[in-house]
Amino acid sequence: GQQVMQIPQYQHVQEGEDFTTYCNSSTTLSNIQWYKQRPGGHPVFLIQLVKSGEVKKQKRLTFQFGEAKKNSSLHITATQTTDVGTYFCAGSINKFYFGSGTKLNVKP
Amino acid sequence: DSGVTQTPKHLITATGQRVTLRCSPRSGDLSVYWYQQSLDQGLQFLIQYYNGEERAKGNILERFSAQQFPDLHSELNLSSLELGDSALYFCASSAEETQYFGPGTRLLVL
Repeated sequence: GQQVMQIPQYQHVQEGEDFTTYCNSSTTLSNIQWYKQRPGGHPVFLIQLVKSGEVKKQKRLTFQFGEAKKNSSLHITATQTTDVGTYFCAGSINKFYFGSGTKLNVKP
Repeated sequence: DSGVTQTPKHLITATGQRVTLRCSPRSGDLSVYWYQQSLDQGLQFLIQYYNGEERAKGNILERFSAQQFPDLHSELNLSSLELGDSALYFCASSAEETQYFGPGTRLLVL
């Protein structure tokens, strides 16, 4: 079965609203990565989290890795239309397991 | 531009046929990964090679096979194609943990 679950599947927000996507694993992860795929494009690496409880920020994006290294979240503050795309998490347990992705649509 | 190239960009073929997708990794990257992405779906990991050897296997069908050559480029062979094999096939390469994705090959099986 799927090792990494990601929710929600879709999220529609008004520009300026916040957005969060969550990933959950049934087993402890070695690390977790986040990717963004623009419509019609290929996945692009955003960040990797390795340590328990780690929090990293990239401008309006905040990434968290849970204490048990089984869950992670990506939070975008004050979304912009350029944030549109699908956000994937990928957990590493010997090999990479990608979440099903959260498709973000931002209305101007 | 990730530095990973994939050919062809598009491929249209018929059921029962066999196709080969090619991937050239970023210079110096030893690992190559193959993924399948069906319409509006997530990324399905197929297989990983490291320096010519198979490193990890995902949900790759028996009709599919891959290899990595001494020059580190990789090929994904898809045979006895079915309608359901229509998808975007991505290759990614990595030196350490970060994966750099190619632009993908869009396969349409009619």
